[in-house]
Amino acid sequence: GQQLNQSPQSMFIQEGEDVSMNCTSSSIFNTWLWYKQDPGEGPVLLIALYKAGELTSNGRLTAQFGITRKDSFLNISASIPSDVGIYFCAGREGAQKLVFGQGTRLTINP
Amino acid sequence: GAVVSQHPSRVICKSGTSVKIECRSLDFQATTMFWYRQFPKQSLMLMATSNEGSKATYEQGVEKDKFLINHASLTLSTLTVTSAHPEDSSFYICSATPGLAGGSYNEQFFGPGTRLTVL
Repeated sequence: GQQLNQSPQSMFIQEGEDVSMNCTSSSIFNTWLWYKQDPGEGPVLLIALYKAGELTSNGRLTAQFGITRKDSFLNISASIPSDVGIYFCAGREGAQKLVFGQGTRLTINP
Repeated sequence: GAVVSQHPSRVICKSGTSVKIECRSLDFQATTMFWYRQFPKQSLMLMATSNEGSKATYEQGVEKDKFLINHASLTLSTLTVTSAHPEDSSFYICSATPGLAGGSYNEQFFGPGTRLTVL
């Protein structure tokens, strides 16, 4: 099946810094999603992207659906301690099924 | 809105026993529910997709006789791990989708997960 390459795998930053992570695929997706997962919890949807080239913001988060439909990035501006967690990209193939990236583990030093 | 619950949140069982995990959509009717498994420090792997009233569709490599899925109503799906063994120990997460047309509300909303430990 399709696979997503998400990078970086982990990030260690200072509070207040901006964060950038991305996902690439060898295949085209019709939807890109970004989720955040806290330890011992299920993923929570942050941003959904439906059109190639679409740029969408949710507070300090901004994500874009790549023009080629094979990539997406997520930026977090002015990071705060509660941003700590694992961020997953996901691409939808077909009508419903999601394929997840490997995750980016974000650690913030106060 | 779009809250999904799971029960239990944590279960420890002996090898050879069966364990049932419930997934409920609390404030919407879920036409489709999904079951994922997540090993430590790894991503979510889809196990199966279930639609209310029909048989679940299992992903390649997932044994349907071992992981029994029942989607009896639009708000409840259950996953039963039969004859569990230590290698089945994992974090099991369900998700549900309202199935409405358009927008992020049609996306998968995840439950909080169930930590299964098989001794």
